[in-house]
Amino acid sequence: AQSVTQLDSQVPVFEEAPVELRCNYSSSVSVYLFWYVQYPNQGLQLLLKYLSGSTLVKGINGFEAEFNKSQTSFHLRKPSVHISDTAEYFCAVNGPFNQAGTALIFGKGTTLSVSS
Amino acid sequence: KAGVTQTPRYLIKTRGQQVTLSCSPISGHRSVSWYQQTPGQGLQFLFEYFSETQRNKGNFPGRFSGRQFSNSRSEMNVSTLELGDSALYLCASSLVGPLTGELFFGEGSRLTVL
Repeated sequence: AQSVTQLDSQVPVFEEAPVELRCNYSSSVSVYLFWYVQYPNQGLQLLLKYLSGSTLVKGINGFEAEFNKSQTSFHLRKPSVHISDTAEYFCAVNGPFNQAGTALIFGKGTTLSVSS
Repeated sequence: KAGVTQTPRYLIKTRGQQVTLSCSPISGHRSVSWYQQTPGQGLQFLFEYFSETQRNKGNFPGRFSGRQFSNSRSEMNVSTLELGDSALYLCASSLVGPLTGELFFGEGSRLTVL
């Protein structure tokens, strides 16, 4: 069965420091991977996605992630964070296919706190 | 263009009651997914509708149901509410489905069950 593990529930960093949010997945089918961000009192917004092709995926707001099949990981990185990056980040993988549809399976989230 | 609209944003119910939540997707989007978000369980998939048909369903009891109308608007219903149903219910729409299409989320309906 598909599953996602976000290895850190909270990551505190200082402004302008680099950050890595870790995500490992388990899947028995072809893998599609996603990172979403949720700002306080808002819905989720797609940061980036891996469907196929290059294993290094670039997203919005300067974030990027690398798909590593051998380590079953999809870690999210940013070289220099801003206060405005403070939010909760969710890694997601495609669920099992059922009829013509599917669903995303989300990790439990990592809270990124950026301070000055 | 207008985003995903969920109503109501906040509501309080008591155990045993039922509740209906509404979701208006982005114009042109035919897929609507519902998720339950709680601090302990995170985001859990409820169901997905496409062109009025339920294509996929998560592992929730039959008290949770949904439907989609011809204009792609969707509703979900929870009957016989339990304290554990307190959560943020998120609706997400996409053009064709969640897999390869980007999911656009609403701000959610926060349900408190007393």
